[in-house]
Amino acid sequence: AQSVSQHNHHVILSEAASLELGCNYSYGGTVNLFWYVQYPGQHLQLLLKYFSGDPLVKGIKGFEAEFIKSKFSFNLRKPSVQWSDTAEYFCAVNAPVAAGNNRKLIWGLGTSLAVNP
Amino acid sequence: NAGVTQTPKFRVLKTGQSMTLLCAQDMNHEYMYWYRQDPGMGLRLIHYSVGEGTTAKGEVPDGYNVSRLKKQNFLLGLESAAPSQTSVYFCASSTDGGSYNEQFFGPGTRLTVL
Repeated sequence: AQSVSQHNHHVILSEAASLELGCNYSYGGTVNLFWYVQYPGQHLQLLLKYFSGDPLVKGIKGFEAEFIKSKFSFNLRKPSVQWSDTAEYFCAVNAPVAAGNNRKLIWGLGTSLAVNP
Repeated sequence: NAGVTQTPKFRVLKTGQSMTLLCAQDMNHEYMYWYRQDPGMGLRLIHYSVGEGTTAKGEVPDGYNVSRLKKQNFLLGLESAAPSQTSVYFCASSTDGGSYNEQFFGPGTRLTVL
């Protein structure tokens, strides 16, 4: 079965530190990739997405992610985090789950980021 | 344009009670989903629907039923609530389930089963 791994479960940073959250997936074919963010007490919202083209994707609030096909990775980065970036971050991959064209969104378990002021 | 809305926002049930969670979307999306979110387990898909009148099981369907009688609404039912169903429930919708599967989420329902 396809899977998505987020290696960092909890990350604690100080403001202005750089951030990189790892995301790896298991499917070797064409995928679409997403990062979602959930701020405390709020619903999930899309941070950025990759469908095709430039593997370096820029999202909202200064976040970016790089798709490296050879490494099956889609790591999220931000050069300088702020206290307001404290949230839970989810990586998701749209990939086939069975023979044919039946594709679903497969979610990672999430990474909790705490940014200390 | 309200996006995806969920009612209620909070609910406390006793074991064995039943309830229905309502999800509504005004984006004319075909696909709708119900997830539960538990600490350390991320999002798990309960049921989903690929269009009006259709439903399908997700990863953790046991103890839940769903209906999609109207395109804009997706109902999640708990017939006999159990403490293991204490969770935060999110509804989501998307235009399709294929390549462009960006999902739009509702604000969630926090359910406690005593």
